[in-house]
Amino acid sequence: GQNIDQPTEMTATEGAIVQINCTYQTSGFNGLFWYQQHAGEAPTFLSYNVLDGLEEKGRFSSFLSRSKGYSYLLLKELQMKDSASYLCAVSDSNYQLIWGAGTKLIIKP
Amino acid sequence: IAGITQAPTSQILAAGRRMTLRCTQDMRHNAMYWYRQDLGLGLRLIHYSNTAGTTGKGEVPDGYSVSRANTDDFPLTLASAVPSQTSVYFCASSELAEGEQFFGPGTRLTVL
Repeated sequence: GQNIDQPTEMTATEGAIVQINCTYQTSGFNGLFWYQQHAGEAPTFLSYNVLDGLEEKGRFSSFLSRSKGYSYLLLKELQMKDSASYLCAVSDSNYQLIWGAGTKLIIKP
Repeated sequence: IAGITQAPTSQILAAGRRMTLRCTQDMRHNAMYWYRQDLGLGLRLIHYSNTAGTTGKGEVPDGYSVSRANTDDFPLTLASAVPSQTSVYFCASSELAEGEQFFGPGTRLTVL
């Protein structure tokens, strides 16, 4: 079957760095997406990886290893507004997104 | 209109009633999607449409139907609502099936 695993919850301190991991097993692979979702709001796009390696975008970076079925989202210089859920999603062989349950990130001052 | 809109924002519905959730986008995106989001679970795809005039079934299509008469609109209908359909429903769109998806604000549906 298809499966996306990510930690349920993480806690970090304002100004620090946090890494959110995602492992996946899917039928086919056409890229991996990370989305941010604040409580009560819609998901918003953060990053997309289709080739192995690191993609950097400001304070956020995303890494992909296709051979290991593994990705991580790295958030630097954490701010209180980064408190949200982070959703990992894989595009399968039919270009349909398979979603993880999300990681709730709690930022403490 | 800017982006994707959904209506209603929230709804309480008696079991057995028929309900249509509306979704409209003004980005001229080809593909549109309906998801449900339940606590502790990932977003689950209900139905999708890769282009106007075509629709397909997602992971959890039972009890739901969709139509795509034009590019902008993608309504989701619950023919006879059941309590297990209590959820937050998100509509999304993307320029192409393989592209980044943009989400509407969601509809919170409670079936009693």
